[in-house]
Amino acid sequence: DVKVTQSSRYLVKRTGEKVFLECVQDMDHENMFWYRQDPGLGLRLIYFSYDVKMKEKGDIPEGYSVSREKKERFSLILESASTNQTSMYLCASSSLRGTTDTQYFGPGTRLTVL
Amino acid sequence: AQTVTQSQPEMSVQEAETVTLSCTYDTSESDYYLFWYKQPPSRQMILVIRQEAYKQQNATENRFSVNFQKAAKSFSLKISDSQLGDAAMYFCAYRSTMYSGGGADGLTFGKGTHLIIQP
Repeated sequence: DVKVTQSSRYLVKRTGEKVFLECVQDMDHENMFWYRQDPGLGLRLIYFSYDVKMKEKGDIPEGYSVSREKKERFSLILESASTNQTSMYLCASSSLRGTTDTQYFGPGTRLTVL
Repeated sequence: AQTVTQSQPEMSVQEAETVTLSCTYDTSESDYYLFWYKQPPSRQMILVIRQEAYKQQNATENRFSVNFQKAAKSFSLKISDSQLGDAAMYFCAYRSTMYSGGGADGLTFGKGTHLIIQP
């Protein structure tokens, strides 16, 4: 089974702090994604990556950056956390191989910025 | 840009009954993928069913089936013989086949439908 893990289930940070959210997948997937989930808004794409050191902006990249130094790991960085970044963050991965491109999701990190 | 609309914020159904969740989308593309994802309370999001737009046959997965109407841009999910374990948020999602970067592209999600199963 595909496994996508995220470093923390719950995280509390203060305004202005630098925050790292880590995501690791164990299926050698090329593609990795970061979404944020807010009630009544569904999931929105922040950034994605299709290869090591490659990244593309999603729909709401402002205030975020990402890093992909290794194929299995994709980090989301909040350079200076703000209260409006309080949200659930979901990581996902998918493969280019075969006929399926299903995205597999991690359990999520619920971030609270005080 | 594509949009996905789920017009039912919440649905309730009796156990063992059938329920249909609606989803419409807007796109100018002719080929794309559509998905239904399930997110149980405090649990991981998982794929329920997937449909390729070029396939006319509706996808089915056990008790889950879709009614894909390409011309109407409609993609509803039917759950037969509802079970308590079906209670969850259900998200409809769209993905283009035209990659914007290097072979990957994110999903565009609807806002979700909260499905309640009454015992």
